[in-house]
Amino acid sequence: NAGVTQTPKFRVLKTGQSMTLLCAQDMNHEYMYWYRQDPGMGLRLIHYSVGEGTTAKGEVPDGYNVSRLKKQNFLLGLESAAPSQTSVYFCASSYLRGGNEQFFGPGTRLTVL
Amino acid sequence: RKEVEQDPGPFNVPEGATVAFNCTYSNSASQSFFWYRQDCRKEPKLLMSVYSSGNEDGRFTAQLNRASQYISLLIRDSKLSDSATYLCVVTGGSNYKLTFGKGTLLTVNP
Repeated sequence: NAGVTQTPKFRVLKTGQSMTLLCAQDMNHEYMYWYRQDPGMGLRLIHYSVGEGTTAKGEVPDGYNVSRLKKQNFLLGLESAAPSQTSVYFCASSYLRGGNEQFFGPGTRLTVL
Repeated sequence: RKEVEQDPGPFNVPEGATVAFNCTYSNSASQSFFWYRQDCRKEPKLLMSVYSSGNEDGRFTAQLNRASQYISLLIRDSKLSDSATYLCVVTGGSNYKLTFGKGTLLTVNP
């Protein structure tokens, strides 16, 4: 049981490049989330999903897109990376009625030059 | 008022000390409350949920005051391994979405 995994762990992009971050969970969780964490800002919700085929905007969605084609996967896309998107990205998942505990992946450290 | 506000810290305490963290939240509709722990360069992990009656887990005690919209975490007999950032977390109007405080860094010194 791997829990929540994220790919890649590290990435350096140039401004304007695109990339996709992959999150996978093997706990059969309904809900999945993407956060970014910046110094002094705490964790901020980018997008989330309440089930396969559904997505919704969080607190800071601009510049990101997501897809949840399969229940176990939640993809975060950056179409045209900007230096302001340099951050640590965490994926999380939770049960529909699991007391709201969110299980986090190990994070992806992204630098945009 | 920010949604979740925590003591700015950092806290530096000797081993064996008792340390308390405080947190306030702005959304009176919040239903669930938590403390998460985040080690340096690691992901956040649930430390404990916070219940209205207060709850204890070993050396850790959490309290909730809904009237004042205030949450606290008390750590007794601090260990070196308690060094981490402690995140106060509440749900908003939607019970599955969490709002995180910025965290308070605790360093326990030998």
